[in-house]
Amino acid sequence: KAGVTQTPRYLIKTRGQQVTLSCSPISGHRSVSWYQQTPGQGLQFLFEYFSETQRNKGNFPGRFSGRQFSNSRSEMNVSTLELGDSALYLCASSLPGGGHEQFFGPGTRLTVL
Amino acid sequence: AQKVTQAQTEISVVEKEDVTLDCVYETRDTTYYLFWYKQPPSGELVFLIRRNSFDEQNEISGRYSWNFQKSTSSFNFTITASQVVDSAVYFCALSEARDNYGQNFVFGPGTRLSVLP
Repeated sequence: KAGVTQTPRYLIKTRGQQVTLSCSPISGHRSVSWYQQTPGQGLQFLFEYFSETQRNKGNFPGRFSGRQFSNSRSEMNVSTLELGDSALYLCASSLPGGGHEQFFGPGTRLTVL
Repeated sequence: AQKVTQAQTEISVVEKEDVTLDCVYETRDTTYYLFWYKQPPSGELVFLIRRNSFDEQNEISGRYSWNFQKSTSSFNFTITASQVVDSAVYFCALSEARDNYGQNFVFGPGTRLSVLP
């Protein structure tokens, strides 16, 4: 089975711009979660989607949004980028419901200048 | 609220030494799941193990072993005869099921393990 894929792998943007990141889950996995990883804050949960519906949301401002498509692929969007948004954004897929391990993609490294 | 603590920020050992990574969790649920992940320098998190709250049996997989103790809310990870390739950041995580098919997945801050040759 192919693993979780994320595109693009690297992005450089300037403050005020917006960005869209994409994630394709493992085949058969319908739950997708997004995380932000920074040296100072560690791994922070952004949101979780299942069946095109957001099931869970972390404590991030409204500039961070996401969606999931009928094929389980997911996108996240960050608008009005700030310097502090520079981070590794990780996508994980799993079977839905509690207790299932999440499998992670390689991440998208976003740099905001 | 759920919380995962990994008190060891960084650990350095010499190759072939045994090393234990500590994980302490907090949860109010009686049903929950614990995980360990490895993040090598390449950056991709690799799933290592999952335990549910009803199974306190310790587990061994090659040089890796896990000790789950509900009485102390701990889920510690031991690497025996460490190797340079074990150098990575290790994360402990806790998951609780939600009614809407979601799950609360919380990661600890991670422990950076350096294995020196």
